[in-house]
Amino acid sequence: EPEVTQTPSHQVTQMGQEVILRCVPISNHLYFYWYRQILGQKVEFLVSFYNNEISEKSEIFDDQFSVERPDGSNFTLKIRSTKLEDSAMYFCASTYSGLAGIYNEQFFGPGTRLTVL
Amino acid sequence: ELKVEQNPLFLSMQEGKNYTIYCNYSTTSDRLYWYRQDPGKSLESLFVLLSNGAVKQEGRLMASLDTKARLSTLHITAAVHDLSATYFCAVDGTKGSEKLVFGKGTKLTVNP
Repeated sequence: EPEVTQTPSHQVTQMGQEVILRCVPISNHLYFYWYRQILGQKVEFLVSFYNNEISEKSEIFDDQFSVERPDGSNFTLKIRSTKLEDSAMYFCASTYSGLAGIYNEQFFGPGTRLTVL
Repeated sequence: ELKVEQNPLFLSMQEGKNYTIYCNYSTTSDRLYWYRQDPGKSLESLFVLLSNGAVKQEGRLMASLDTKARLSTLHITAAVHDLSATYFCAVDGTKGSEKLVFGKGTKLTVNP
């Protein structure tokens, strides 16, 4: 069964460093998302991406964050200068049709645990 | 701002018992999703509810949606230990938004 994959599973970095989190969405999906979950808290939307551009972003997704689909398979989230409060689990998700379709069931990857020291 | 509230946030129950988790949301939405998360793991899609009155069942779990009341329920029948996990409901964001807005989750512990 197709699934969303993410690498690395765990990333430890020093405050102020840049990190890139990688995702490979399900191959025929067109809409891609990043969410984060601070330990013990709810899942929060960061950004959605369609047709090679950001379609929506939250207030969390400030200038320190960027997303890119550098080739036909990868979808990346870059944090330019990490802060302690960026420590969280980051989930990538994808869906085929987004709101244009019958439903917006999003399939989530296993997550990358980011620890900022 | 769309708000999604779940209750209870913590639920400890005995094997064999029944219980219901509630999910209320604050704006009109016809689509509601239930996910399961095991500790340190990703979100597993359980149910997609697409219309008022929708009811779906999988094993010991049954989910329903009342869009007029803006309420979804996840009913657990004859709980078993394997159901121990955190359950999240989520709704589509406001009209035109593609994001999912999640509740805080219900941490379910089923004791033998």
